[in-house]
Amino acid sequence: EVHLVESGGGLVQPGGSLRLSCAASGFTFSTSWMTWVRQAPGKGLEWVANINQDGSEKYFVDSVEGRFTISRDNAKNSLYLQMNSLRAEDTAVYYCAKESGLRNFEFWGQGTLVTVSS
Amino acid sequence: DIQMTQSPSSLSASVGDRVAITCRASQGIRNDLAWYQQKPGKAPKRLIYAASSLHSGVPSRFSGSGSGTEFTLTISSLQSEDFATYYCLQHNSYPRTFGQGTKVEIK
Repeated sequence: EVHLVESGGGLVQPGGSLRLSCAASGFTFSTSWMTWVRQAPGKGLEWVANINQDGSEKYFVDSVEGRFTISRDNAKNSLYLQMNSLRAEDTAVYYCAKESGLRNFEFWGQGTLVTVSS
Repeated sequence: DIQMTQSPSSLSASVGDRVAITCRASQGIRNDLAWYQQKPGKAPKRLIYAASSLHSGVPSRFSGSGSGTEFTLTISSLQSEDFATYYCLQHNSYPRTFGQGTKVEIK
């Protein structure tokens, strides 16, 4: 059974940094694209970034480009999202998801809440 | 960016009703579309992929159709556990984009 567990969320001041982690199990992590999606309180879903199997390809939504980085450690079956220069509008639940072979989001974690506020 | 326009944004229906939700893409996306169900406080779950393929374990009352720019999610006979918010996702090009969601409520 696929299991994705996010951690690292919390309260951070504007301009601050936070690193989210996603621990994966139940599938061959090293052969899967992985994605981060966020959801602001009471709002819809927004794709944030994804990364290919060996970390050589990464894509970001414009609103986080240059502030967020995505990485992975296949030896630890873990995905990361380093978030810098955080803004109030980055406040959201952040989900990690496993992409399918067709590149949609097949399985999701339970999410971790990031709150950016002074 | 490809815009995904979902309609309606909300609907009220009764158990047993047939429900259809539409997603329109601002440009052609072949069949690179998935549908998700999200309940309050929970993560989204994939229902449909490749526009019309049913995710494993999803009840057969859910179906998807369409290709190109117009897609439909149909629930043939609404059950109590289906009251939720539904989203479409295009994964044809970057940035990946979701529809704004359709909230299905009890009539």
